[in-house]
Formats: sequence, structure tokens, C-alpha cells
Amino acid sequence: AQSVTQLDSQVPVFEEAPVELRCNYSSSVSVYLFWYVQYPNQGLQLLLKYLSGSTLVESINGFEAEFNKSQTSFHLRKPSVHISDTAEYFCAVSGVGSQGNLIFGKGTKLSVKP
Amino acid sequence: EAGVAQSPRYKIIEKRQSVAFWCNPISGHATLYWYQQILGQGPKLLIQFQNNGVVDDSQLPKDRFSAERLKGVDSTLKIQPAKLEDSAVYLCASSLLGSPPWTQYFGPGTRLTVL
Repeated sequence: AQSVTQLDSQVPVFEEAPVELRCNYSSSVSVYLFWYVQYPNQGLQLLLKYLSGSTLVESINGFEAEFNKSQTSFHLRKPSVHISDTAEYFCAVSGVGSQGNLIFGKGTKLSVKP
Repeated sequence: EAGVAQSPRYKIIEKRQSVAFWCNPISGHATLYWYQQILGQGPKLLIQFQNNGVVDDSQLPKDRFSAERLKGVDSTLKIQPAKLEDSAVYLCASSLLGSPPWTQYFGPGTRLTVL
């Protein structure tokens, strides 16, 4: 079984500041890791994923996350945030080699202020 | 391409009443998921269909929740009778048959408030 812990429920930052949203996971098997974003009144969208290979993965809008197996973490970072990044971000995990479904964390609300 | 459609978007009922939610997946998507997202928590899978068959309903409270997917397209999720703790957003998602779970597309959700 897998579980996900998102350490911060809310993160307020100013525009153009860097941000890190933290995610730790627990699993007895190898995992795939994901970040989803939910903009107000919209459905969840996959932001980025780690399946294998390079531990640093990037999204098209400037976010990146690094898989750290020893620390069982998959933190999400962006060097300079925009107002439009205001949303709720969910970390999720899925077990490798099975049809295991997504297990989501509780989410982190990122609020970008001008 | 149209996305996953859900209705209604909002519903307010009193406890012990019944309620039903509807989901229309993306055309051609054989796999359909229903999630419950309680305020302050991440989505939790309730049930997964492949075509009109149930793949996983291990977390569905079967004493009050039911779901069906007649003809393997649209799906309805019903709660009867509702409890206060059922207040949540109910998300529907769909994906192509055999594709991994992270390829699913999510609908906007139905926000249920039970008074």
C-alpha cells in the first residue's frame, strides 16, 4: 500500500518569488510519482510525472520536481511564480508494475499575491 | 475534443435524502472512475469501470452508494440516504481502455452539500 503526505496545506507567496511545495510518500514497492494541479472550478490536470530515468522532471509551464528515493520525496519547485499559478496542487503515487490506482495527498493551496 | 462532462455542478440536500450525479466521459474512453474529494483532502477512488463492468469498488460504501454504467458510456453515482459526512466534491474521470491511471482526464466535479 502507498500513502502520500503533503506537508503544507497552504503556501502564500508573492509574484516572481520562488516556491517549493513539499511531498513525501511511503510505499513497500517501487512507485510512480505525479503532481496534479486544480485551478478554481476546473478538473484535475496532470502537471508532471516521474516514471523512470532522470530524477528531475519538468512541466511546460516552468515547474519541476525531483524524485529523491533516499528521502522518499518528490517536491515541486518553481523559481518564479505568476499570479496564474494560483491553484491547488496534489501529489500522487501509483505502484509500479500493477494497475494500481492513484493515491493522492491532501493538497497544497498555492496563493500568489501581486 | 469535448472533455468529461458532469452534472449537476452543485447540489444541496438534507440528510437522509437521495441524490444522483451524472457523468459523460470523453468519447471512446472505456474506463471511467468516480472519486470523492472531501474538503481538505485529496481525491479518493470510489469505483472504477471498464466498459460496463466494475473493476474496483473496494472503497465504495455499498450500504448507501451505488453506481452504474449502462451501455458502457454514461455513468450515474447515487447516494441513498445521504449523511452529513457525504458532503464533498464528486469527480468523474475517464481514460482509454488499458491505459495507465495517470492518463485519465478529470471532469469539473459536482459539489454536494448535505445539511
